[in-house]
Amino acid sequence: GAGVSQSPRYKVAKRGQDVALRCDPISGHVSLFWYQQALGQGPEFLTYFQNEAQLDKSGLPSDRFFAERPEGSVSTLKIQRTQQEDSAVYLCASSAHFESWETQYFGPGTRLLVL
Amino acid sequence: SQKIEQNSEALNIQEGKTATLTCNYTNYSPAYLQWYRQDPGRGPVFLLLIRENEKEKRKERLKVTFDTTLKQSLFHITASQPADSATYLCALLYSSASKIIFGSGTRLSIRP
Repeated sequence: GAGVSQSPRYKVAKRGQDVALRCDPISGHVSLFWYQQALGQGPEFLTYFQNEAQLDKSGLPSDRFFAERPEGSVSTLKIQRTQQEDSAVYLCASSAHFESWETQYFGPGTRLLVL
Repeated sequence: SQKIEQNSEALNIQEGKTATLTCNYTNYSPAYLQWYRQDPGRGPVFLLLIRENEKEKRKERLKVTFDTTLKQSLFHITASQPADSATYLCALLYSSASKIIFGSGTRLSIRP
């Protein structure tokens, strides 16, 4: 069965470049989450969508980070003017409903390296 | 702010023994606590969820306990196998917020 997919799997960017990371959640899943995972650390919450509505973006580290989910399915995380500290794995997860305890299904992540 | 502590050092266990991983947190107790498994290059995979009013939850060889007085959860793998080698993450969930707070994980290695 199709799980959560993310693309690209790897991205190398020069400092100052803009990047866009894509997440395809499990079909029909209402909730979508983005996380940032630094090496050796657990995932850190960035933002949360319920359908197309972005209900919580309190984890976005700066205004250079922007996420959207215009039709309530595919989501894009955009990072403008990338900095070296943005280097991390960006994980997307989806869940069937909007309750916080619902099982989240994670994608494989996009590994971003900013040089 | 809420903090989560998991064994920062890797845990090495002989095959067949029980592995026990610890998750400690500060401040207020979550409504739910989850354990995930993460393999290198992959996203976390959900294993078990336990609610704040539950003391213990089991699934096959896995057992989770939740002590809100000690502010601690223990994760046990019985009859451990080399295939159980991975990083295990605990995560706190609060019913009033949509965010989930992960620990940094404990790397478990099961040697044959």
